[in-house]
Amino acid sequence: DIVLTQSPASLAVSLGQRATISCRASQSVATSNYSYMHWYQQKPGQPPKLLIKYASNLESGVPARFSGSGSGTDFTLNIHPVEEDDTATYYCQHSWEIPYTFGGGTKLEIK
Amino acid sequence: QVTLRESGPGILQPSQTLSLTCSFSGFSLSTSTMGVSWIRQPSGKGLEWLAHIYWDDDKRYNPSLKSRLTISKDSSSNQVFLKITSVDTADTATYYCARREFFDYWGQGTTLTVSS
Repeated sequence: DIVLTQSPASLAVSLGQRATISCRASQSVATSNYSYMHWYQQKPGQPPKLLIKYASNLESGVPARFSGSGSGTDFTLNIHPVEEDDTATYYCQHSWEIPYTFGGGTKLEIK
Repeated sequence: QVTLRESGPGILQPSQTLSLTCSFSGFSLSTSTMGVSWIRQPSGKGLEWLAHIYWDDDKRYNPSLKSRLTISKDSSSNQVFLKITSVDTADTATYYCARREFFDYWGQGTTLTVSS
């Protein structure tokens, strides 16, 4: 199985500043054309919500404050400027092979 | 618009079989490349992908649970099903269905408690 390691496990970011979340895969999840890495936001009591698909493609309706980057094994989710509503847990997930796996999650607090 | 809704028994005793239904609307599971996955999340913990069924009835399972899982669909009634045999307390979780391999739409989830 491909292991996705997210860091940090938690972070606190001041309102209006940048939050950066990393996801490292145990093997490449990318071809020359596509990176099979996706990012989700989950708030308590709610299902996850897709933010970014294929590493850098912003899902429709998601604010442009969210951006994704990376290739190969290293991927990043950036949120800038952070807002109070961004308080949530963020997960990365790959769809490179079976089984699909998720990262352990990063809990974001807004100061 | 796309919606998915999970339903299940809520509570089971150990060794029983879990039957879950995902009822969806706003898309067709007969459309090429379309698919639906089941994912679960124990309370306060992370997400675990369980199984995926494609428009052409191809099925994929998490190897860690494969012997216990059966996914199926009824495209005409817009439903996807998941059976998990021999449940135990470790299967206590919220179970979600979600569309496609990048999970762009999710249901609200159905909670299962396994307890004797």
